[in-house]
Amino acid sequence: DQQVKQNSPSLSVQEGRISILNCDYTNSMFDYFLWYKKYPAEGPTFLISISSIKDKNEDGRFTVFLNKSAKHLSLHIVPSQPGDSAVYFCAASYNNAGNMLTFGGGTRLMVKP
Amino acid sequence: KAGVTQTPRYLIKTRGQQVTLSCSPISGHRSVSWYQQTPGQGLQFLFEYFSETQRNKGNFPGRFSGRQFSNSRSEMNVSTLELGDSALYLCASSLNGPGQTNEKLFFGSGTQLSVL
Repeated sequence: DQQVKQNSPSLSVQEGRISILNCDYTNSMFDYFLWYKKYPAEGPTFLISISSIKDKNEDGRFTVFLNKSAKHLSLHIVPSQPGDSAVYFCAASYNNAGNMLTFGGGTRLMVKP
Repeated sequence: KAGVTQTPRYLIKTRGQQVTLSCSPISGHRSVSWYQQTPGQGLQFLFEYFSETQRNKGNFPGRFSGRQFSNSRSEMNVSTLELGDSALYLCASSLNGPGQTNEKLFFGSGTQLSVL
C-alpha cells in the first residue's frame, strides 16, 4: 500500500517556464512533508519542506503548496533551469516518527534549453 | 564540513553471503538512518539510530540489522543475501535530538550492492 504517490513518472518542461510536480498521500497522520532532488550516482538532496500547519512555503525559485483536505502537495519551480533536471522525490513523516520518511516513487524532471 | 560518507561505494556479493556497509555522519550529527532504493520499490526506510539505540525500524526481515557506535558512525549488515537485496543503500544523518523531529536529512551517495 503506497502511502505517498507521485503519479507522473516524468515531466518535460522548457527552460524558463514553470515546473509543477505533484504528490498525493493517504495517511492522515502525516504532518510534515519534504521534497528531495536526486542526481544519478548521488544521494538525495533536501530542497524544501512544509509543516501541516502551513499551506505554502517558499524558498527562492521553489515553492511547496499543501492542500490537507485533498491530501495533495505540489512543488513549483519558477523559472525552470536545465540544472534542475533530476529526479524529484516527495516524502512525508509524522510526529514521533523520527527520521522515518515515507517516499513517493519519484518524478524525473527534464528541463530543455 | 564533510558530508555523509558511505563505504564502500560499490559491492558485489553472491547469494548466501553476508555484507557490512559503513556510514559516517556529518560531524555533530547524532541520528543516522538507512534507506534502501530499488527500481521496483523506490526508497524504503530500513532503520534509524540515535545515541547507539535503534529508534525506528522499517518493514524488513531480520536479515537486515544495524548498529551505531559512540562516535555516531553506523554500520548495517545483511546476512544470507538474496538476489532481491540488490539495491542502492543510502545512509542519512541529522542533528535530531530527543523530542526534535521533522528535521531534514542529509544523505550520502550510497553503496550500490549487487547480489549475483
